[in-house]
Amino acid sequence: GEQVEQRPPHLSVREGDSAFITCTYTDPNSYYFFWYKQEPGASLQLLMKVFSSTEINEGQGFTVLLNKKDKRLSLNLTAAHPGDSAAYFCAVSARGGSALGRLHFGAGTQLIVIP
Amino acid sequence: DPKIIQKPKYLVAVTGSEKILICEQYLGHNAMYWYRQSAKKPLEFMFSYSYQKLMDNQTASSRFQPQSSKKNHLDLQITALKPDDSATYFCASSQERTGDNERLFFGHGTKLSVL
Repeated sequence: GEQVEQRPPHLSVREGDSAFITCTYTDPNSYYFFWYKQEPGASLQLLMKVFSSTEINEGQGFTVLLNKKDKRLSLNLTAAHPGDSAAYFCAVSARGGSALGRLHFGAGTQLIVIP
Repeated sequence: DPKIIQKPKYLVAVTGSEKILICEQYLGHNAMYWYRQSAKKPLEFMFSYSYQKLMDNQTASSRFQPQSSKKNHLDLQITALKPDDSATYFCASSQERTGDNERLFFGHGTKLSVL
């Protein structure tokens, strides 16, 4: 089955620096890719869903890069601020049918942004 | 206002007992799911329901039984509880339509501790 490896498990950066998180996956049939943010005591909040290969997707204060050739998904938080401190999870899923709602998650990265 | 309500937020149970975790969503979604987040493990898919019908079950044990009394409800009954069942259980939902099946919205979770 799908294996998703996320690195690093813990990350501390200073305010204004970048924070880079990477996931690799094994199933070449994976089609949808996600980044979620989870603040303490809160639910998972979807940051971005991507499915185009080797494309840079920009959100508010972050960039997501998907490289299907290398089976790698990355999240780059640019100019991190203390409000970015949270756990970040990548997730992948296959397309449709019996894969409905079945996301394979990485183990998470606990990010701390130091003021 | 939370659109996916999980009750209770915290739950303590003794080994061998039975508990029901409640989930209601007010997003108008037709697909609902249960995920489990154990210590030191990634978030794991358990069940998916679409229009109140079971679509996928990735839980090995029959001690875990989803119950859908209404379209926007998916409760989780756990019988013969074991300490290994201790985890945070997340309910999620999505709107089943082309291209958006996997955009999951998560509840805040029920943290279950089995003594």
